[in-house]
Amino acid sequence: QSVLTQPPSVSGAPGQRVTISCTGSNSNIGAGYDVHWYKQLPGAAPQLLISGNSNRPSGVPDRFSGSKSGTSASLAITGLQAEDEADYYCQSYDSSLSGSSYVFGTGTKVTVL
Amino acid sequence: EVQLVESGGGLVQPGRSLRLSCAASGFAFADYSMHWVRQAPGKGLEWVSGINWNGAKMHYADSVKGRFTISRDNAKNSLYLQMNSLRGEDTALYYCAKSAGTTTLNFDYWGQGVLVTVSS
Repeated sequence: QSVLTQPPSVSGAPGQRVTISCTGSNSNIGAGYDVHWYKQLPGAAPQLLISGNSNRPSGVPDRFSGSKSGTSASLAITGLQAEDEADYYCQSYDSSLSGSSYVFGTGTKVTVL
Repeated sequence: EVQLVESGGGLVQPGRSLRLSCAASGFAFADYSMHWVRQAPGKGLEWVSGINWNGAKMHYADSVKGRFTISRDNAKNSLYLQMNSLRGEDTALYYCAKSAGTTTLNFDYWGQGVLVTVSS
């Protein structure tokens, strides 16, 4: 059961801007743990898209940006393109009295209209 | 080029065991923590287990604790996942993933995954 909540789907026309939210709690995002984002194309493995809340690994277009505030984080995609159609997952770390673990969001399907 | 290649998956009956392997290349394997992440058919990602660089520290998701064992052989650049007492809910694509660094709690490279199907 995911502890990070994302909208099931978002959509936009080519060239538009879309955002994906990732809502956590005081035991993960709100505790100061970084948020990371992954893109998963159909039938492929996830690939790191945003690291440490807002850092883009080499090769990731600057159309992708991330931010974090309080117990939530967001991924923004500007200038939406056909190849952006994929599933997107946020990920953080959760630490509570019951233990610690890496946690993923519920996932968001981005559709380019 | 970093490569992670999983193997060992297949169809197994409930209650039986299976051992997954991940062959790593293209980076200093012994310097990084490694993880297993799974994805049930049509579902999201779930972290399963992680092991530190020298194999001294292992962590597990509650859903597999006591049934799965992660290990590594740095001489062979390999990661393993011993899965015992398998259940239907363990059916998933299992990914081997490399930790991005010693202080970052994320994964920068993933294998293509190996399918495990638990069914009678």
